[in-house]
Amino acid sequence: DTGVSQNPRHKITKRGQNVTFRCDPISEHNRLYWYRQTLGQGPEFLTYFQNEAQLEKSRLLSDRFSAERPKGSFSTLEIQRTEQGDSAMYLCASSLEGGHKASEQYFGPGTRLTVT
Amino acid sequence: RKEVEQDPGPFNVPEGATVAFNCTYSNSASQSFFWYRQDCRKEPKLLMSVYSSGNEDGRFTAQLNRASQYISLLIRDSKLSDSATYLCVVNNYGQNFVFGPGTRLSVLP
Repeated sequence: DTGVSQNPRHKITKRGQNVTFRCDPISEHNRLYWYRQTLGQGPEFLTYFQNEAQLEKSRLLSDRFSAERPKGSFSTLEIQRTEQGDSAMYLCASSLEGGHKASEQYFGPGTRLTVT
Repeated sequence: RKEVEQDPGPFNVPEGATVAFNCTYSNSASQSFFWYRQDCRKEPKLLMSVYSSGNEDGRFTAQLNRASQYISLLIRDSKLSDSATYLCVVNNYGQNFVFGPGTRLSVLP
């Protein structure tokens, strides 16, 4: 399977715990995005990387959230001191950018986080 | 005002019907536009990019009106398998992608 993969697919954690999610993009893609989606809403942008550089972070991304893409391949999203409001689907997407217009993104299956 | 707005629906249409969705965006500098489809509890999947001149892919037609800042999606001869949420996506190159809340479509037998 050469698509975007995410692990774990589901995570249940207690409030206050830290969680880390992993995303493996399509191998030749240079851009990687993280989104959060709650029921009835479209995905909300969190952050994105061009290769290993984190180029933009949403104001939604509090200090408890951190993302890395150390070698420009896979990425991790860590949430520290989780809160119930963090319960959501966390989606990763990748794209190949190089032209003057944005390219299509391809999404992974997501990690569903439940904070109890 | 939200950056990308869509009528949430649901749109309930019989098989074979033609249905159209609109999406409006507020950032006049937006350059790239897409329609994604999302099935219940699944990830969004690209349906089609939207080009300035409009474009068609089988039963699906997308149009862009830059002057009025809206994008449309027309689905002809609806199939049961078209039932999903349709997400409008806008990008100002070099910045992030902004998704609308989605329009839910149910095609009824």
